[in-house]
Order: sequence, then structure tokens, then C-alpha cells
Amino acid sequence: AQKITQTQPGMFVQEKEAVTLDCTYDTSDPSYGLFWYKQPSSGEMIFLIYQGSYDQQNATEGRYSLNFQKARKSANLVISASQLGDSAMYFCAMREYNQGAQKLVFGQGTRLTINP
Amino acid sequence: NAGVTQTPKFRVLKTGQSMTLLCAQDMNHEYMYWYRQDPGMGLRLIHYSVGEGTTAKGEVPDGYNVSRLKKQNFLLGLESAAPSQTSVYFCASTRQEGPNQPQHFGDGTRLSIL
Repeated sequence: AQKITQTQPGMFVQEKEAVTLDCTYDTSDPSYGLFWYKQPSSGEMIFLIYQGSYDQQNATEGRYSLNFQKARKSANLVISASQLGDSAMYFCAMREYNQGAQKLVFGQGTRLTINP
Repeated sequence: NAGVTQTPKFRVLKTGQSMTLLCAQDMNHEYMYWYRQDPGMGLRLIHYSVGEGTTAKGEVPDGYNVSRLKKQNFLLGLESAAPSQTSVYFCASTRQEGPNQPQHFGDGTRLSIL
């Protein structure tokens, strides 16, 4: 079974609009962490935001926020006021603490295209 | 300000050849990882290391070997390359402590096996 599911292979958004990238996860571990990474066309992996399973508030980092709904096991990334430079692949990843070694499991990614 | 450095950045091999990918980090991180990324898929863990002298298998370890002789270096070896190993390879590292520590990635190595 997929541990991380990103159901949107591609999304197209107009510049300056907000965009939500979906991520659902599957775990029986009560302690886990969720990460979002951005991969531009140049190929590097850039860490964006983190949400811990026990965090009371949704994580925010500049224009990025995480809509964490624990009961639904979803951790959607919200990008406000999108910019052309936001065009990239976005990956959701999970770390289950009982797996040790801080290993990450990645989703298949969503390709976001921002149109001018 | 190097972070995680991977060499080489590109390589083309013939089936059956061997090669080693080098990953070096200057952040004194304990944990290091090797991933592969295939088209349309997320990153999959090949091998990882929780400290100098230790290695462990990840999700897709077959056909690869690794070594961590020094804390700052993590080597990925292909003994007999196969076309199925054509991929982009990423190395990453992270601190041992702190559940919220992100993995820091290198820029990737694009490997083609003919």
C-alpha cells in the first residue's frame, strides 16, 4: 500500500492565485513527521516546510503553509500568491519515527505550472 | 557553504561496467542516504547509513553497494551496471537528533546505462 499519495500529477494555476497541493498518508505510528520538498527544473531538492504529528498548529513558512488534518491523514501544501518561480515538482514525504534512522518515504510528486 | 556535494554530475556507462558515486557533506551529519529518482516516481531509498562504518538496506538495494569509511563521505557503487539502473541519484544527509530535521540533498547525479 502506498504510504504517501499525491493524487494530482499536474496542476496549472494563474500567477498570484493561491494553490493547494494534496498529500495523504498512511501510517499506524502515532509519531511521525511530514515534509514538503520542491524540485525545480534544475533538479535540486529544496526543503520547504515540516509538520509534526503532535504539533498543535499548522506549520507556516513565508508563503507556504501546511493544512494538516490528522483525522483525515492529509497534509496539503498551500502556496499563497503564486509566482512564476513556483513552477516545479513538489514532493510530500513522511518520516515514521519507529522506523528509525529518520528515513523518508516520498510520494510521486505533483508538477505545478504557474501561468503568467 | 557546500552542504552536500555529489560527484560526478553526469555519467554514461555501458552495461556491465562498474562505477562509484561519491557523496560528501560538510555539516557533520550522522545520517546519510542514497536515493534514486525515476521518471514519474518519487525518490526511493537505496541504502542509508546511521554513522561512520555502518550501512543498511533501503527499499531498492539490489545491484548496489555502499560504504561509509569516513563520516563525511558516503559512496554508492554499481558493480555491474544494468540499463534498469539508468536514473537520477540523490544523496542526502541529516542530523541524528531532532524529529523535525530535514534531509539536505545534493544536486543529483544523472546516470545512463547503455
